[in-house]
Amino acid sequence: GEDVEQSLFLSVREGDSSVINCTYTDSSSTYLYWYKQEPGAGLQLLTYIFSNMDMKQDQRLTVLLNKKDKHLSLRIADTQTGDSAIYFCAEVGTALIFGKGTTLSVSS
Amino acid sequence: KAGVTQTPRYLIKTRGQQVTLSCSPISGHRSVSWYQQTPGQGLQFLFEYFSETQRNKGNFPGRFSGRQFSNSRSEMNVSTLELGDSALYLCASSSIGGLGDSPLHFGNGTRLTVT
Repeated sequence: GEDVEQSLFLSVREGDSSVINCTYTDSSSTYLYWYKQEPGAGLQLLTYIFSNMDMKQDQRLTVLLNKKDKHLSLRIADTQTGDSAIYFCAEVGTALIFGKGTTLSVSS
Repeated sequence: KAGVTQTPRYLIKTRGQQVTLSCSPISGHRSVSWYQQTPGQGLQFLFEYFSETQRNKGNFPGRFSGRQFSNSRSEMNVSTLELGDSALYLCASSSIGGLGDSPLHFGNGTRLTVT
């Protein structure tokens, strides 16, 4: 079945890099997405990667895709306190299938 | 360009009542999807509408229904509310529908509390 898994928590210091990992199951997913949710808000689209790409860089964000292992990661360079939020990865199935989210805590 | 707008932001209802939530998509977007977010189940897909037609439906009981108007605005309705319906309901729009072709843009949600 469709299932997306993420680790639940990540704690980093301001200025460090953060790496959030995700595994997915649907190898036919055309796109894979990363969303960010801050308290009391909806989901903000951060970035996405097409399934025929291995890597995508967008300013401080780097997405790596390993299709063989069905593994997706999001690296945030120079993490700031404003990056503290819940991060969701999602694959395309019959609908967008989301992981349970990784809570990123950034300490100064 | 204005984002996805959901109204109201907060709702408190009693068990057995019904509720209607509203969503205005980004201008030009024709696809609207609805998701339910709870701490236990996470984000679960409810349904998707494109050009006033329901194209896809998640695994929710018939008490959950929706519709889309000719201007692409959408409403969802929950009848005979249960305590377990308490959740954040998120609406998302995309430009051409077909989840693989264009990303979903979400609103800030409607927080429904059922007492």
